[in-house]
Amino acid sequence: EPEVTQTPSHQVTQMGQEVILRCVPISNHLYFYWYRQILGQKVEFLVSFYNNEISEKSEIFDDQFSVERPDGSNFTLKIRSTKLEDSAMYFCASSGLTDNEQFFGPGTRLTVL
Amino acid sequence: AQKVTQAQTEISVVEKEDVTLDCVYETRDTTYYLFWYKQPPSGELVFLIRRNSFDEQNEISGRYSWNFQKSTSSFNFTITASQVVDSAVYFCALSGHGSSNTGKLIFGQGTTLQVKP
Repeated sequence: EPEVTQTPSHQVTQMGQEVILRCVPISNHLYFYWYRQILGQKVEFLVSFYNNEISEKSEIFDDQFSVERPDGSNFTLKIRSTKLEDSAMYFCASSGLTDNEQFFGPGTRLTVL
Repeated sequence: AQKVTQAQTEISVVEKEDVTLDCVYETRDTTYYLFWYKQPPSGELVFLIRRNSFDEQNEISGRYSWNFQKSTSSFNFTITASQVVDSAVYFCALSGHGSSNTGKLIFGQGTTLQVKP
């Protein structure tokens, strides 16, 4: 069964460093998403991406964040200068249509020291 | 604005008990979708169900059932004869519909269910 994959599973970085979180969505899906979950809290929407551009972003998704689909298979989230409060689980998701269920990857746990 | 409220932060039951997880939502959309996801201790998000706002029929899948009531803006989830493996955090979520809809999910705070043997 097709699935969304994410790498790495755990990333530890120093404050101020850049990180890139990688996702491989399900191959025939067209809509891609990043969500964040701070430990013990709810899942929060960061950004949606369709047709090679951002279709919507939340207030959390400030200038420090960017997304890219560089090669037609990977979908990346970059944080330019990490802060302590960026420590969270980051989930990638994809769907075939906006109305369909989103399939989530296993998440990348980002720890900023 | 869209909002999902799961008022129950934590629920603890003994195995074989039935348990209902509440979800109340707010939206101005006339068409929308409601979801439930399960997050076991391993951390992944597992899709359980999607419900279209036009379809108010209750749904049953094995020990799981869902009660959608538009009149009270609720989409409650019942587990019958709970098992230890049901222990997880359960999230209710909402998304909109239409040409401007990007499919983003608005999640509730989640309900932690602990099923004791």
